Amino acid sequence: KNEVEQSPQNLTAQEGEFITINCSYSVGISALHWLQQHPGGGIVSLFMLSSGKKKHGRLIATINIQEKHSSLHITASHPRDSAVYICAVKANTDKLIFGTGTRLQVFP
Amino acid sequence: DGGITQSPKYLFRKEGQNVTLSCEQNLNHDAMYWYRQDPGQGLRLIYYSQIVNDFQKGDIAEGYSVSREKKESFPLTVTSAQKNPTAFYLCASTLPSRGVYGYTFGSGTRLTVV
Repeated sequence: KNEVEQSPQNLTAQEGEFITINCSYSVGISALHWLQQHPGGGIVSLFMLSSGKKKHGRLIATINIQEKHSSLHITASHPRDSAVYICAVKANTDKLIFGTGTRLQVFP
Repeated sequence: DGGITQSPKYLFRKEGQNVTLSCEQNLNHDAMYWYRQDPGQGLRLIYYSQIVNDFQKGDIAEGYSVSREKKESFPLTVTSAQKNPTAFYLCASTLPSRGVYGYTFGSGTRLTVV
C-alpha cells in the first residue's frame, strides 16, 4: 500500500462544476503539498499546509491531521484547470513522498 | 525572476552513452533534489544535496551520479549502468529541510533512450 493515496485517479468535469480531489496518507508529516503538473511536465506548487485550510483564488485546500486526510477543491472549474494534481507529504523523516496524481479534464 | 532552469527539455540518447541533465537555480536555496517520474507512479527521489560539496543517495540512485560544486547548480548524469533510463526527470529546490518550506520545481527534462 502506498504511503500517499489519491482519489480519484482520473476526473472529468464540465466547466463550472465544483471539483474535489482527495489525499490520504499513512505516515507522520510536518507538511502537505498540493502541486499542479501541466501537460508540458513542469510542476507548480499550489499550497503547502500543516493545518486547517488555505484559499487562493478558486482553489481551496484543507487538511485534517487527526484523520491524515487532505482535500483540494476547485470552485467554478475552467478548462484551463485541466492538469494533473499531485499530493505530496513532507514526512517526519524529512523525506517528500508523492502520490501518483489525479488527472483532471474540464470540458467547455 | 527567481526560479529553476532545467535543460534540455527533450533529450535523446543512444544505449551505452552517458548523458548529463542540467539544473540551475537562482533562488539561493540550499537544498536541491532530482526526481524521476514514470507513468502511473509518484515521483521518486534519485539524489539530493543539502549543501555544496555534499549529496546523498535517494531511493533509486543506482545508475545515476551527481555533483554539487556550486550552490546554484546540481547536474545529474544518467550513466550507461542505468537499466531503464527513459523517463521524465524533475529538479527541485528548497530552503533548509528543517521547518516547513515550499519547494520550487523545474520544468523537467524528458529523456528517451533510442
